[in-house]
Amino acid sequence: DAGVIQSPRHEVTEMGQEVTLRCKPISGHDYLFWYRQTMMRGLELLIYFNNNVPIDDSGMPEDRFSAKMPNASFSTLKIQPSEPRDSAVYFCASSFSGYEQYFGPGTRLTVT
Amino acid sequence: KQEVTQIPAALSVPEGENLVLNCSFTDSAIYNLQWFRQDPGKGLTSLLLIQSSQREQTSGRLNASLDKSSGRSTLYIAASQPGDSATYLCAVTDSNYKLTFGKGTLLTVNP
Repeated sequence: DAGVIQSPRHEVTEMGQEVTLRCKPISGHDYLFWYRQTMMRGLELLIYFNNNVPIDDSGMPEDRFSAKMPNASFSTLKIQPSEPRDSAVYFCASSFSGYEQYFGPGTRLTVT
Repeated sequence: KQEVTQIPAALSVPEGENLVLNCSFTDSAIYNLQWFRQDPGKGLTSLLLIQSSQREQTSGRLNASLDKSSGRSTLYIAASQPGDSATYLCAVTDSNYKLTFGKGTLLTVNP
């Protein structure tokens, strides 16, 4: 298996632009998680899905952030409009049981 | 709210030394505990997962222990090598699948 796939690996954008991050989970996994990693706050859970349904989005920082999972093979995390403080590494993880998560390589987002 | 603390924040050792990384958590109602490795600019690699009912797990030169009642875990690395240099993250899972991470320990193994 190719593991969790994320794209793009790096994204540089200007403040105010829309940013879309993509994730393909491991085939057969029914849980998908989005995390954000910053130097100040470490790794934080933003939202997670079970069977394509959002279960807990309490970690989503603001209404500028939204996440979707239209099918079992694909999820997006969108930021609109983006701000410099959104600069971070965004990780996607998937799981079969929910209790052992496998992480993707991450997307490094820089908002100037 | 669960809080995970890792001590030390950074550690530098000579090659061949045995070492211990520490992790503590405030809420003992965990489902499991995982140790991850993160290389610079890379994702997270799971090293060991300990279920809440277990006391320890071993993989090669790595041994992780869990004392759930006291809210502590240790990661023991035997005969350290320069290739072990990375950031080691401890994370606990609650019953709602939420992972709470520590800030990590940056390990440098000098040849």
